[in-house]
Amino acid sequence: QKEVEQNSGPLSVPEGAIASLNCTYSDRGSQSFFWYRQYSGKSPELIMSIYSNGDKEDGRFTAQLNKASQYVSLLIRDSQPSDSATYLCAPRSSNTGKLIFGQGTTLQVKP
Amino acid sequence: DVKVTQSSRYLVKRTGEKVFLECVQDMDHENMFWYRQDPGLGLRLIYFSYDVKMKEKGDIPEGYSVSREKKERFSLILESASTNQTSMYLCASTHLTGLDEQYFGPGTRLTVT
Repeated sequence: QKEVEQNSGPLSVPEGAIASLNCTYSDRGSQSFFWYRQYSGKSPELIMSIYSNGDKEDGRFTAQLNKASQYVSLLIRDSQPSDSATYLCAPRSSNTGKLIFGQGTTLQVKP
Repeated sequence: DVKVTQSSRYLVKRTGEKVFLECVQDMDHENMFWYRQDPGLGLRLIYFSYDVKMKEKGDIPEGYSVSREKKERFSLILESASTNQTSMYLCASTHLTGLDEQYFGPGTRLTVT
C-alpha cells in the first residue's frame, strides 16, 4: 500500500463546476495535512492546511479531513480555467515529521 | 510574506562538472529540504537539515551532498554531474513544530549534457 494515494487523473470539469480531489493515506498517526497546487513547470504552492476532522473553508477551496477513514479531500467551487494544475496531497509523517507527498491529481477545467 | 529563493531558475552543465544549487529562506526556519521532481516519480527527498551544520539523508542521497553553514542558506552539491541528474530541483523550508507549513522555492531546472 502506498503511503499516500491520489488518482492521477486527469480530472476534467467544466468551468463553474465543483472539482473534488481525493487522497487516502496510510499513517494513522498523521496530525497535519496539506494541499499544494503545482502549475506545469512551476514549484508547488501551498493552498490549504487542515489539522482537525471536518471541513475547513478558504474562499473557493474547502479541505475535508476524516482521520478515522484516513481520507482527506479538496473541493474547489466555481472552478476556473486558472485552477487547471496538479494538486498534491501531503500528510505529515507521525514518525519522521516530514511531509509525504502523493503523486498528485491533474485537474483540467474546460471553459 | 514568506520567501524561499533559489540561485538559478535554469542551469545547463556538462557531465562531470561540480554543480552548486543554493537556497535561501527569510523565515527563520529551522528545517530545510532539497527535493528532486521527475515525471512519473513525483517529489523525492534528497537531503534535509534541521539546524546549522546538521544534515540527514533523504530517500535518494546518492550522488549529492549538502552544506548548511548559516541558518538561512542550504546548498545542494552535485560532486560530478551525470545525465541522470537532469531534473527539477526544489528547495523547501519549515519550522520545527509539526503543525507548521512548508514552503517551496521556485525550483531550478538542471540539464546535464
